[in-house]
Amino acid sequence: EAQVTQNPRYLITVTGKKLTVTCSQNMNHEYMSWYRQDPGLGLRQIYYSMNVEVTDKGDVPEGYKVSRKEKRNFPLILESPSPNQTSLYFCASSLSAGTDTQYFGPGTRLTVL
Amino acid sequence: KQEVTQIPAALSVPEGENLVLNCSFTDSAIYNLQWFRQDPGKGLTSLLLIQSSQREQTSGRLNASLDKSSGRSTLYIAASQPGDSATYLCAVRGYSGAGSYQLTFGKGTKLSVIP
Repeated sequence: EAQVTQNPRYLITVTGKKLTVTCSQNMNHEYMSWYRQDPGLGLRQIYYSMNVEVTDKGDVPEGYKVSRKEKRNFPLILESPSPNQTSLYFCASSLSAGTDTQYFGPGTRLTVL
Repeated sequence: KQEVTQIPAALSVPEGENLVLNCSFTDSAIYNLQWFRQDPGKGLTSLLLIQSSQREQTSGRLNASLDKSSGRSTLYIAASQPGDSATYLCAVRGYSGAGSYQLTFGKGTKLSVIP
């Protein structure tokens, strides 16, 4: 089944404790991205990757890191999480960066205490 | 910077009604527009994708139209059912420089279909 998977689905952590949210797709997509969704603010892009070893900042990159060492994986790293990073996070992928349908993962609900 | 607005923010209709959800965007230089459905606590499911050269797309009871010049799109849902209850998101894809195409989302319309 073609899908985007994220792990963990739910995470409660404390301020400053490094964490990684994994994202994997099995559709051989080149383009992957991370979004956060907050009430009243909608979905905002954090980082995106147009291909292996190619990443760039979205609208709200502060406090996040990403890497794209393999085509299928695009982990999101929070080196020192803070409470304002409490949010619902989505990973997405598409065949290319241009005109293709975006497929979304199920989401990761992160709470930083 | 692209801005996407969805009106209304919430909508409640009785089962069986036809309904229209609206989406407007400020920059008409888009590559495509995509409608998504989001169920509570879940991810986004793509419903329809309209390329900038297209005027409409249909899938079952759903029909989406695009008027790029006026910066508007509508999602028409025929014969609504309780299972259509969800939040519907509109997103436009535009060129953001350096070979990248950014997806900008509206804040969604929360639809409730009453049995």
